[in-house]
Amino acid sequence: EAGVTQSPTHLIKTRGQQATLRCSPISGHTSVYWYQQALGLGLQFLLWYDEGEERNRGNFPPRFSGRQFPNYSSELNVNALELEDSALYLCASSPPPGQGSANEKLFFGSGTQLSVL
Amino acid sequence: AQTVTQSQPEMSVQEAETVTLSCTYDTSESNYYLFWYKQPPSRQMILVIRQEAYKQQNATENRFSVNFQKAAKSFSLKISDSQLGDTAMYFCAFMKPSSGNTPLVFGKGTRLSVIA
Repeated sequence: EAGVTQSPTHLIKTRGQQATLRCSPISGHTSVYWYQQALGLGLQFLLWYDEGEERNRGNFPPRFSGRQFPNYSSELNVNALELEDSALYLCASSPPPGQGSANEKLFFGSGTQLSVL
Repeated sequence: AQTVTQSQPEMSVQEAETVTLSCTYDTSESNYYLFWYKQPPSRQMILVIRQEAYKQQNATENRFSVNFQKAAKSFSLKISDSQLGDTAMYFCAFMKPSSGNTPLVFGKGTRLSVIA
């Protein structure tokens, strides 16, 4: 079974540009979560999508946005990039509620390393 | 809001020895879930162990075990017989219970180095 896949692995942009990061969840998973991992700050929750809807949002400005497609894959868009947006962006997926103990587990991808110059 | 604190930014341990990583959290919930994740240099987040707050028995997974002190809101990870492959960042995480999925709240992590 394929795990959570993210693309691209690395992304280099300049200030003011837009970045698009992509995530494909594990087959059968309906929830997708996005986290930002900046140096020394741990993982900060960004966005949560479930069944195509945005369910929750972390403390990030509106230029961080995203969507979830009918096949449950997801995009994270970052507009007007700033230097401090440089970080590892991790995507995680989880199965629908009620699917046993897996309900409480998130399965992570390997991330997209975004560098803003 | 829930917070998770890992007070040890870096730790090291000799191969085959035992090491304990600390984690404290703050919540007003009575039932919740706690996790330890490992992030090796490959960046892949790997679930190490999970604890349900309503269970008094400490979770164990092979060489990994936890010391869950609910009243003290403490959730430490013990790694026995440390191996070189245990070198990684370790993150403690909290999840509220709900009828659906909710995001994990993470601590800032502890960088563990296992020395040969």
